[in-house]
Amino acid sequence: GAVVSQHPSWVICKSGTSVKIECRSLDFQATTMFWYRQFPKQSLMLMATSNEGSKATYEQGVEKDKFLINHASLTLSTLTVTSAHPEDSSFYICSAPRQANTEAFFGQGTRLTVV
Amino acid sequence: AQTVTQSQPEMSVQEAETVTLSCTYDTSESDYYLFWYKQPPSRQMILVIRQEAYKQQNATENRFSVNFQKAAKSFSLKISDSQLGDAAMYFCAYGGGSEKLVFGKGTKLTVNP
Repeated sequence: GAVVSQHPSWVICKSGTSVKIECRSLDFQATTMFWYRQFPKQSLMLMATSNEGSKATYEQGVEKDKFLINHASLTLSTLTVTSAHPEDSSFYICSAPRQANTEAFFGQGTRLTVV
Repeated sequence: AQTVTQSQPEMSVQEAETVTLSCTYDTSESDYYLFWYKQPPSRQMILVIRQEAYKQQNATENRFSVNFQKAAKSFSLKISDSQLGDAAMYFCAYGGGSEKLVFGKGTKLTVNP
């Protein structure tokens, strides 16, 4: 079946540095990918919609200059957390639907800890 | 905007028994999809079951079935013959035409041996 791979699974970085998270669709092309954030014991909140070849669409309240999204190919979207701070520590998950309105496949998630 | 409500933060069930998780949603759309996802401690999101709103027949997947009441905007998940491996967070999700998902707050399911 379709698989979405997310890397890294976990990362620790120093405050003020940037971290890049990759999301790849392994056996299908994804013109759209989604980035979610999940705080401990909470639900998934959509951060942005990544569109191949165009600018990402950010949800209200999400800083686009802090969370840079690049979707340069049909199989790869990246989320870069710039100038990370401890409050950015969270679990980030990407997803990609293979076709419109079908199952969204999720990556394994990335646990980011900023120290 | 669409909203999804899961009113049960936690549920527990005895192994081999049946449990029902509740979900209600709000939307003005007529065509949409509803999902139940399972999130075990690994935090990998796993699709449990999917329902197309235009289908009146309730979806079933082995021990998992839903009770979809479109007029009431209700989408409950029934787990039959509960197993220890069913213990996890369960999220109800709504998917509209733009494909992004709106999630409920989740229900933590505990399965007691």
